[in-house]
Amino acid sequence: EIVLTQSPGTLSLSPGDSATLSCRASQSVTSTYLVWYQQKPGQAPRLLMDGASSRATGIPDRFSGSGSGTDFTLTISRLEPEDFAVYYCQKYGGSPLYTFGQGTKLEIK
Amino acid sequence: QVQLQASGPGLVKPSQTLSLTCTVSGGSISSGVYYWSWIRQPAGKGLEWIGRVSPSGSTNYNPSLKGRVSISIDTSKNQFSLTLNSVTAADAATYFCARDGGTYFEWFDPWGQGTLVTVSS
Repeated sequence: EIVLTQSPGTLSLSPGDSATLSCRASQSVTSTYLVWYQQKPGQAPRLLMDGASSRATGIPDRFSGSGSGTDFTLTISRLEPEDFAVYYCQKYGGSPLYTFGQGTKLEIK
Repeated sequence: QVQLQASGPGLVKPSQTLSLTCTVSGGSISSGVYYWSWIRQPAGKGLEWIGRVSPSGSTNYNPSLKGRVSISIDTSKNQFSLTLNSVTAADAATYFCARDGGTYFEWFDPWGQGTLVTVSS
């Protein structure tokens, strides 16, 4: 089973800062199959990025993704107040078919 | 646009069966390439994929649920359902239904709002 490990667990930043969130896989993941979600308290997750670097519909361009193999990164530039949330990476393929990282909480400093 | 709404009992007794239904609106559950998934999230914890169903009724499940889970689809009602047997306290979670990218895409979008299930006698 491929395990996704996200770091840091919590990231404390201020509006206007840039955030770098990491997702590391225990085995190589095809970048096409690496996805990022944003979840705010009391809400369902929202699709942010698919194929590691393609923004979903309506996602502002301050969100960007990169990576390949076992190391993937979500970068958020010029943090807005609405960006403070929990972020999850997810992979597709293998068994189980889908697995998620444990999440990174982005909180206001 | 497509919307999903999960519903079902909020309280299940230990050892009994959890049954939830997801109603899809704004589009046909049987059209296109999409599958339909259940995902759960214990309070304060991360996300776990439970399983999915295709429009034709074929299924994939998370092996961690060890044969306790069944997902079915009712295209006439535009609904799909989750059944989880022999529940324990570990099954207490918010259960989300979501459109699954099927064999073409690798994501879940959109998601329903989630329904909280408590396991208690």
